Amino acid sequence: NAGVTQTPKFRVLKTGQSMTLLCAQDMNHEYMYWYRQDPGMGLRLIHYSVGEGTTAKGEVPDGYNVSRLKKQNFLLGLESAAPSQTSVYFCASRVADYNEQFFGPGTRLTVL
Amino acid sequence: KQEVTQIPAALSVPEGENLVLNCSFTDSAIYNLQWFRQDPGKGLTSLLLIQSSQREQTSGRLNASLDKSSGRSTLYIAASQPGDSATYLCAVLTGANSKLTFGKGITLSVRP
Repeated sequence: NAGVTQTPKFRVLKTGQSMTLLCAQDMNHEYMYWYRQDPGMGLRLIHYSVGEGTTAKGEVPDGYNVSRLKKQNFLLGLESAAPSQTSVYFCASRVADYNEQFFGPGTRLTVL
Repeated sequence: KQEVTQIPAALSVPEGENLVLNCSFTDSAIYNLQWFRQDPGKGLTSLLLIQSSQREQTSGRLNASLDKSSGRSTLYIAASQPGDSATYLCAVLTGANSKLTFGKGITLSVRP
Protein backbone atom coordinates (compact mmCIF):
# COMPACT_ATOMS: atom_id res chain seq x y z
CA ASN A 1 0.00 0.00 0.00
CA ALA A 2 1.25 3.46 -0.89
CA GLY A 3 -1.06 4.99 1.74
CA VAL A 4 -1.86 8.65 1.10
CA THR A 5 0.04 10.31 -1.73
CA GLN A 6 0.07 13.94 -2.85
CA THR A 7 1.00 15.52 -6.17
CA PRO A 8 2.97 17.72 -6.66
CA LYS A 9 5.47 17.93 -3.79
CA PHE A 10 6.48 21.53 -4.52
CA ARG A 11 5.00 24.31 -6.63
CA VAL A 12 5.61 28.00 -7.19
CA LEU A 13 2.77 30.10 -8.58
CA LYS A 14 2.35 33.71 -9.50
CA THR A 15 -0.55 35.69 -8.05
CA GLY A 16 -3.70 35.02 -10.03
CA GLN A 17 -2.63 31.65 -11.43
CA SER A 18 -4.66 28.54 -10.83
CA MET A 19 -3.67 25.02 -9.92
CA THR A 20 -4.99 21.72 -8.62
CA LEU A 21 -3.46 19.59 -5.89
CA LEU A 22 -4.16 15.89 -6.10
CA CYS A 23 -4.55 13.55 -3.15
CA ALA A 24 -4.87 9.81 -3.66
CA GLN A 25 -5.35 6.99 -1.17
CA ASP A 26 -5.33 3.26 -1.79
CA MET A 27 -6.82 2.18 1.55
CA ASN A 28 -10.49 2.37 0.50
CA HIS A 29 -11.08 5.15 3.03
CA GLU A 30 -14.41 6.96 3.09
CA TYR A 31 -13.30 10.22 4.69
CA MET A 32 -10.73 12.57 3.18
CA TYR A 33 -9.46 15.96 4.34
CA TRP A 34 -7.39 18.91 3.15
CA TYR A 35 -5.42 20.95 5.71
CA ARG A 36 -2.99 23.79 5.55
CA GLN A 37 -0.14 24.23 8.01
CA ASP A 38 1.35 27.62 8.71
CA PRO A 39 3.94 28.67 11.31
CA GLY A 40 2.25 29.69 14.54
CA MET A 41 -1.20 28.74 13.23
CA GLY A 42 -1.00 24.98 13.39
CA LEU A 43 -3.07 22.74 11.16
CA ARG A 44 -6.31 24.17 9.85
CA LEU A 45 -9.01 22.26 7.98
CA ILE A 46 -9.85 23.64 4.53
CA HIS A 47 -12.41 21.18 3.14
CA TYR A 48 -13.35 17.59 3.74
CA SER A 49 -15.38 14.76 2.26
CA VAL A 50 -17.28 11.96 3.98
CA GLY A 51 -17.73 9.90 0.83
CA GLU A 52 -17.52 9.83 -2.94
CA GLY A 53 -19.41 12.75 -4.45
CA THR A 54 -19.65 14.70 -1.17
CA THR A 55 -17.70 17.72 0.04
CA ALA A 56 -18.03 20.15 2.94
CA LYS A 57 -16.35 23.32 4.18
CA GLY A 58 -13.87 23.31 7.00
CA GLU A 59 -12.41 26.12 9.05
CA VAL A 60 -10.71 28.11 6.24
CA PRO A 61 -12.46 27.31 2.92
CA ASP A 62 -12.31 30.71 1.21
CA GLY A 63 -10.29 30.74 -2.01
CA TYR A 64 -10.35 26.96 -2.40
CA ASN A 65 -12.61 24.44 -4.10
CA VAL A 66 -12.61 20.66 -3.90
CA SER A 67 -14.00 17.67 -5.72
CA ARG A 68 -14.33 13.97 -4.87
CA LEU A 69 -15.46 12.32 -8.09
CA LYS A 70 -13.74 9.04 -7.23
CA LYS A 71 -13.51 7.52 -3.77
CA GLN A 72 -9.73 7.28 -3.88
CA ASN A 73 -9.07 10.86 -5.03
CA PHE A 74 -9.64 14.25 -3.43
CA LEU A 75 -8.69 17.33 -5.43
CA LEU A 76 -8.00 20.79 -4.03
CA GLY A 77 -8.22 23.70 -6.45
CA LEU A 78 -7.00 27.27 -6.23
CA GLU A 79 -8.79 29.33 -8.89
CA SER A 80 -6.83 32.55 -8.42
CA ALA A 81 -3.83 32.11 -6.14
CA ALA A 82 -2.93 34.78 -3.59
CA PRO A 83 0.26 35.22 -1.53
CA SER A 84 -1.81 34.41 1.60
CA GLN A 85 -2.20 30.89 0.22
CA THR A 86 1.53 30.24 0.53
CA SER A 87 1.57 27.26 2.87
CA VAL A 88 2.16 23.56 3.24
CA TYR A 89 -0.91 21.56 2.28
CA PHE A 90 -1.63 18.15 3.75
CA CYS A 91 -4.18 15.60 2.71
CA ALA A 92 -5.46 12.98 5.13
CA SER A 93 -7.90 10.10 5.15
CA ARG A 94 -9.64 7.70 7.52
CA VAL A 95 -11.67 4.58 6.89
CA ALA A 96 -14.73 5.79 8.82
CA ASP A 97 -15.78 7.48 12.03
CA TYR A 98 -13.70 6.95 15.17
CA ASN A 99 -10.75 5.49 13.31
CA GLU A 100 -7.14 6.47 12.91
CA GLN A 101 -6.35 9.29 10.49
CA PHE A 102 -3.45 9.02 8.05
CA PHE A 103 -1.62 11.88 6.40
CA GLY A 104 0.14 12.39 3.10
CA PRO A 105 3.67 13.85 2.80
CA GLY A 106 2.49 17.36 1.97
CA THR A 107 2.72 19.88 -0.87
CA ARG A 108 4.77 23.03 -0.34
CA LEU A 109 3.15 25.88 -2.27
CA THR A 110 4.62 29.33 -2.73
CA VAL A 111 2.58 32.12 -4.31
CA LEU A 112 4.63 35.10 -5.46
CA LYS B 1 -15.63 25.34 20.26
CA GLN B 2 -13.01 22.72 21.04
CA GLU B 3 -9.53 24.03 21.78
CA VAL B 4 -6.41 21.90 22.19
CA THR B 5 -3.37 23.20 24.05
CA GLN B 6 0.13 21.79 24.20
CA ILE B 7 2.56 23.38 26.61
CA PRO B 8 5.47 23.98 26.44
CA ALA B 9 5.97 24.69 22.74
CA ALA B 10 9.52 23.34 22.87
CA LEU B 11 11.45 20.97 25.10
CA SER B 12 15.10 19.92 25.20
CA VAL B 13 16.25 16.88 27.19
CA PRO B 14 19.42 14.76 27.43
CA GLU B 15 19.44 11.33 25.85
CA GLY B 16 18.13 8.56 28.07
CA GLU B 17 15.67 10.69 30.00
CA ASN B 18 12.06 9.58 30.43
CA LEU B 19 9.72 12.40 29.50
CA VAL B 20 6.07 13.37 29.42
CA LEU B 21 4.37 15.53 26.82
CA ASN B 22 1.09 17.12 27.83
CA CYS B 23 -2.08 17.84 25.89
CA SER B 24 -5.24 19.48 27.22
CA PHE B 25 -8.62 20.04 25.58
CA THR B 26 -11.60 22.15 26.58
CA ASP B 27 -14.57 19.96 25.56
CA SER B 28 -14.53 16.54 27.19
CA ALA B 29 -17.13 15.15 24.75
CA ILE B 30 -14.53 13.57 22.48
CA TYR B 31 -14.69 10.34 20.50
CA ASN B 32 -10.96 9.73 20.51
CA LEU B 33 -7.54 11.34 20.78
CA GLN B 34 -4.62 10.77 18.44
CA TRP B 35 -0.92 11.53 18.91
CA PHE B 36 1.18 12.31 15.83
CA ARG B 37 4.84 12.83 15.13
CA GLN B 38 6.07 15.29 12.50
CA ASP B 39 9.68 15.45 11.33
CA PRO B 40 10.89 18.70 9.70
CA GLY B 41 9.55 19.05 6.16
CA LYS B 42 7.52 15.86 6.43
CA GLY B 43 3.95 14.78 6.93
CA LEU B 44 2.32 13.62 10.15
CA THR B 45 2.86 10.05 11.30
CA SER B 46 0.25 8.53 13.58
CA LEU B 47 1.74 7.22 16.83
CA LEU B 48 -1.18 6.22 19.01
CA LEU B 49 -4.97 6.40 18.95
CA ILE B 50 -6.96 6.29 22.19
CA GLN B 51 -10.70 5.82 22.01
CA SER B 52 -12.85 7.72 24.52
CA SER B 53 -13.61 4.50 26.41
CA GLN B 54 -9.91 3.68 26.86
CA ARG B 55 -7.48 4.99 29.48
CA GLU B 56 -4.19 4.29 27.72
CA GLN B 57 -2.42 2.83 24.72
CA THR B 58 1.14 1.59 24.37
CA SER B 59 3.48 1.15 21.44
CA GLY B 60 7.08 0.26 22.14
CA ARG B 61 8.64 3.03 24.25
CA LEU B 62 5.54 5.19 23.90
CA ASN B 63 2.58 5.23 26.26
CA ALA B 64 -0.36 7.57 25.89
CA SER B 65 -2.98 8.12 28.57
CA LEU B 66 -6.35 9.80 28.44
CA ASP B 67 -8.38 11.41 31.23
CA LYS B 68 -11.48 12.57 29.44
CA SER B 69 -13.19 14.07 32.47
CA SER B 70 -10.29 16.42 33.17
CA GLY B 71 -9.58 17.09 29.50
CA ARG B 72 -6.02 15.82 29.55
CA SER B 73 -3.76 13.40 27.75
CA THR B 74 -0.09 12.63 28.22
CA LEU B 75 2.44 10.99 25.92
CA TYR B 76 5.18 9.23 27.87
CA ILE B 77 8.45 8.51 26.05
CA ALA B 78 10.77 6.10 27.84
CA ALA B 79 14.55 6.22 27.50
CA SER B 80 14.55 9.04 24.96
CA GLN B 81 16.91 8.90 21.97
CA PRO B 82 18.16 11.57 19.53
CA GLY B 83 15.97 9.93 16.89
CA ASP B 84 12.93 10.93 18.94
CA SER B 85 13.63 14.58 18.10
CA ALA B 86 10.56 15.85 16.24
CA THR B 87 7.35 17.79 16.77
CA TYR B 88 4.61 15.90 18.57
CA LEU B 89 0.99 16.90 17.98
CA CYS B 90 -2.15 15.74 19.70
CA ALA B 91 -5.58 15.93 18.10
CA VAL B 92 -9.08 15.22 19.40
CA LEU B 93 -12.09 14.01 17.44
CA THR B 94 -15.32 15.74 18.38
CA GLY B 95 -18.66 16.55 16.86
CA ALA B 96 -20.15 15.50 13.61
CA ASN B 97 -18.33 14.38 10.49
CA SER B 98 -15.10 13.24 12.13
CA LYS B 99 -13.19 16.47 12.32
CA LEU B 100 -9.95 16.56 14.27
CA THR B 101 -8.91 19.58 16.29
CA PHE B 102 -5.14 19.86 16.60
CA GLY B 103 -2.83 21.36 19.16
CA LYS B 104 0.09 23.38 17.86
CA GLY B 105 2.59 20.75 18.87
CA ILE B 106 5.62 20.36 21.11
CA THR B 107 9.02 20.44 19.42
CA LEU B 108 11.23 17.94 21.21
CA SER B 109 15.01 17.94 20.99
CA VAL B 110 16.91 15.02 22.52
CA ARG B 111 20.57 15.90 23.04
CA PRO B 112 23.19 13.13 22.60
